[in-house]
Amino acid sequence: GAGVSQSPRYKVAKRGQDVALRCDPISGHVSLFWYQQALGQGPEFLTYFQNEAQLDKSGLPSDRFFAERPEGSVSTLKIQRTQQEDSAVYLCASSFGRVNQPQHFGDGTRLSIL
Amino acid sequence: SQQGEEDPQALSIQEGENATMNCSYKTSINNLQWYRQNSGRGLVHLILIRSNEREKHSGRLRVTLDTSKKSSSLLITASRAADTASYFCVSPDPGSSNTGKLIFGQGTTLQVKP
Repeated sequence: GAGVSQSPRYKVAKRGQDVALRCDPISGHVSLFWYQQALGQGPEFLTYFQNEAQLDKSGLPSDRFFAERPEGSVSTLKIQRTQQEDSAVYLCASSFGRVNQPQHFGDGTRLSIL
Repeated sequence: SQQGEEDPQALSIQEGENATMNCSYKTSINNLQWYRQNSGRGLVHLILIRSNEREKHSGRLRVTLDTSKKSSSLLITASRAADTASYFCVSPDPGSSNTGKLIFGQGTTLQVKP
């Protein structure tokens, strides 16, 4: 499809395990964003890539969170030593340019930490 | 930090009625965007209004912007059951003008009863 694709759609992990969430942005989109959305809340920014460069990681909650986009296309958000408070929906979005451009969102990965 | 705050938090109307959602924001903006999120899905961009625009239309949607009052409204006319979703007003983070990072509020949950 032509939209942003995220996998897996659902992930259940035990506390302490590492998880990796994948995002396939729309082809040709320069900008890629990760957001975290708690139940009943709006999304909160985690990190931003322009091509392969991670230009803003100010929203990452701790050093257990790591994101990469090595070839400027697919991105992976990794959470190490997961905690229960990491349970949320993780949304990926991409846009053609940087500012003043609509962002196209995937359907997210719902992460549940037991 | 929260930039946009939607009001009301929840709205329930009958199919065919109009729905109005309001948004207030805190700092100067270049543009303001409205997004829709259906349950369990990602966000869909609806409309972008620039700071030098006062009103914008897209199909059954009408968005207004009053920069002097730092407020915006989204009007959905002749609502349909399929309009049931959460609606967010969003603006780029003023402290991240080069990234397009978006700051979301809690959103307005709209229920349209058939």
